[in-house]
Amino acid sequence: GESVGLHLPTLSVQEGDNSIINCAYSNSASDYFIWYKQESGKGPQFIIDIRSNMDKRQGQRVTVLLNKTVKHLSLQIAATQPGDSAVYFCAEGPGGSYIPTFGRGTSLIVHP
Amino acid sequence: NAGVTQTPKFRILKIGQSMTLQCTQDMNHNYMYWYRQDPGMGLKLIYYSVGAGITDKGEVPNGYNVSRSTTEDFPLRLELAAPSQTSVYFCASIRPPSYEQYFGPGTRLTVT
Repeated sequence: GESVGLHLPTLSVQEGDNSIINCAYSNSASDYFIWYKQESGKGPQFIIDIRSNMDKRQGQRVTVLLNKTVKHLSLQIAATQPGDSAVYFCAEGPGGSYIPTFGRGTSLIVHP
Repeated sequence: NAGVTQTPKFRILKIGQSMTLQCTQDMNHNYMYWYRQDPGMGLKLIYYSVGAGITDKGEVPNGYNVSRSTTEDFPLRLELAAPSQTSVYFCASIRPPSYEQYFGPGTRLTVT
């Protein structure tokens, strides 16, 4: 389940389950949205992006959904594996601005 | 390509000491960034640069300075270290029109 508070929001899942990580954004002018994965002790790494003229984009085992009406972004990970355990960040920004705004992040814990 | 490299990986400073965090990228990226990441939090932008000779403040620039004399290097300088600067520092770069940021492995700094 999820817990939100002073600590990083956390999502705990069993290996093999599908995971859904959510991100709310505030800037209605944002044109691009990116998901990053940060493993413990490492820098963030690009996973997938989506532009505002799309509502869904699929990658390898990952799908990003964009709902501009409610300013909501989600990352779906299929058949979650222990190697998916990490903190996931969303980032967003207006087209032509290369200064994105990062969300606080969600910690995904995958139990074998 | 080595990508984005940062040195040192770890450093402990006493209050009032100064140091330079090094960042180098070999991808010929125009934009470079410095972020800090506090425990359980997202990334906060300290400074960024759109090209050699051009730098600009981000969200939390106080207590830091940067320079960009070459495309490859973007060092971050702490002049009078304070405990509030204890954090993990990440350097990143972008080559427009792509919005994907490439991050270095980070420098963990402790000021006591």
